[in-house]
Amino acid sequence: AQSVTQPDIHITVSEGASLELRCNYSYGATPYLFWYVQSPGQGLQLLLKYFSGDTLVQGIKGFEAEFKRSQSSFNLRKPSVHWSDAAEYFCAVGANQAGTALIFGKGTTLSVSS
Amino acid sequence: SAVISQKPSRDICQRGTSLTIQCQVDSQVTMMFWYRQQPGQSLTLIATANQGSEATYESGFVIDKFPISRPNLTFSTLTVSNMSPEDSSIYLCSVEGSTKSETQYFGPGTRLLVL
Repeated sequence: AQSVTQPDIHITVSEGASLELRCNYSYGATPYLFWYVQSPGQGLQLLLKYFSGDTLVQGIKGFEAEFKRSQSSFNLRKPSVHWSDAAEYFCAVGANQAGTALIFGKGTTLSVSS
Repeated sequence: SAVISQKPSRDICQRGTSLTIQCQVDSQVTMMFWYRQQPGQSLTLIATANQGSEATYESGFVIDKFPISRPNLTFSTLTVSNMSPEDSSIYLCSVEGSTKSETQYFGPGTRLLVL
């Protein structure tokens, strides 16, 4: 069965430091992978997505993610974190070939310290 | 990108009652989805709603509990029936993006508290 694992429930990073959020997936075919961010009281915002091609994907707000098929991973990175990045981050995988219905990981809460 | 609105944005309800949540999109879309996000949890897909056909429910969700309507290409409703405190969640609707982008857009959610 398809699944998404985000091993880190909560991460605290100092402002200006680099960030990496881990995501591992289990999927029987070519995955459609997504990272979403949810700020307190806000809806979900798409950060970036991977369907095919270049395995390093650039997103909004300075985020990037790298797809590694051999490790079944799609980790999210940012070189320098800002206080406004504090939020809940969800990794998701497309549950069907069209990449529409999504299976989400449990999320990682990011706190940013000054 | 699609702009999605949901009504109500939040509500407090008594157990045993029902609440209908509305989802409106600013463009025509074929597929709409309803998710539930329980407190401190991730999002779980409830059902997929295509215009002109019955909604398709995921395992653990049934039509009697979560009836869905999809009268046109820009609107859908989800009803949470005979509510219990366990139904306290955020309910989000989402829509597929264009065929080219295949990106899903989410509404702001409806925060439901059942007492």
